[in-house]
Amino acid sequence: NAGVTQTPKFRVLKTGQSMTLLCAQDMNHEYMYWYRQDPGMGLRLIHYSVGEGTTAKGEVPDGYNVSRLKKQNFLLGLESAAPSQTSVYFCASSYSYSTLTEAFFGQGTRLTVV
Amino acid sequence: AQKVTQAQTEISVVEKEDVTLDCVYETRDTTYYLFWYKQPPSGELVFLIRRNSFDEQNEISGRYSWNFQKSTSSFNFTITASQVVDSAVYFCALSSGSSNTGKLIFGQGTTLQVKP
Repeated sequence: NAGVTQTPKFRVLKTGQSMTLLCAQDMNHEYMYWYRQDPGMGLRLIHYSVGEGTTAKGEVPDGYNVSRLKKQNFLLGLESAAPSQTSVYFCASSYSYSTLTEAFFGQGTRLTVV
Repeated sequence: AQKVTQAQTEISVVEKEDVTLDCVYETRDTTYYLFWYKQPPSGELVFLIRRNSFDEQNEISGRYSWNFQKSTSSFNFTITASQVVDSAVYFCALSSGSSNTGKLIFGQGTTLQVKP
């Protein structure tokens, strides 16, 4: 049982390049999220999804796009990377039936934009 | 507006000392959830506890205990007899709203250093 898996773990991009971060979960969770972590700011929500085929903006969505074509996968895209997008990115998933469960996080992707 | 404040940026203690990490939250919703996560130096986020707004019982788990007080909008975390392995960044988080989408609002985090 892998939980939440993020690919890649590390990446260096040049300004203007594009890339896609992949998140996969094997817990059949409905909800998935992308957060970014910056020093002194905690984690901030970029985009989230409440089910296959749905996505919504979080607190800091600018410069990112997402897709949830399959329930188990949630992709985060950077179309034209900027140095301000240098951060650690975390994917998470959770389940809610009668009560909200905790979010399970991936191990993070450290992205540097030069 | 929803907000989580962890006023303590960094705390340093000597092993075996007790330490309390403060968390103050803001929300207008009557149904909400509070969480604590630990981020050790390896970087992953480890779930510690979840509490819903209707359950004000304090909780103890080994050396860890949590004090939830709705009257002061606080959800503080105490580590008793701290150990070097407790050194980490600790995040308090809030999820609220009737839509219950599980979106988390994190505090800024408290870095705890436990010295031998």
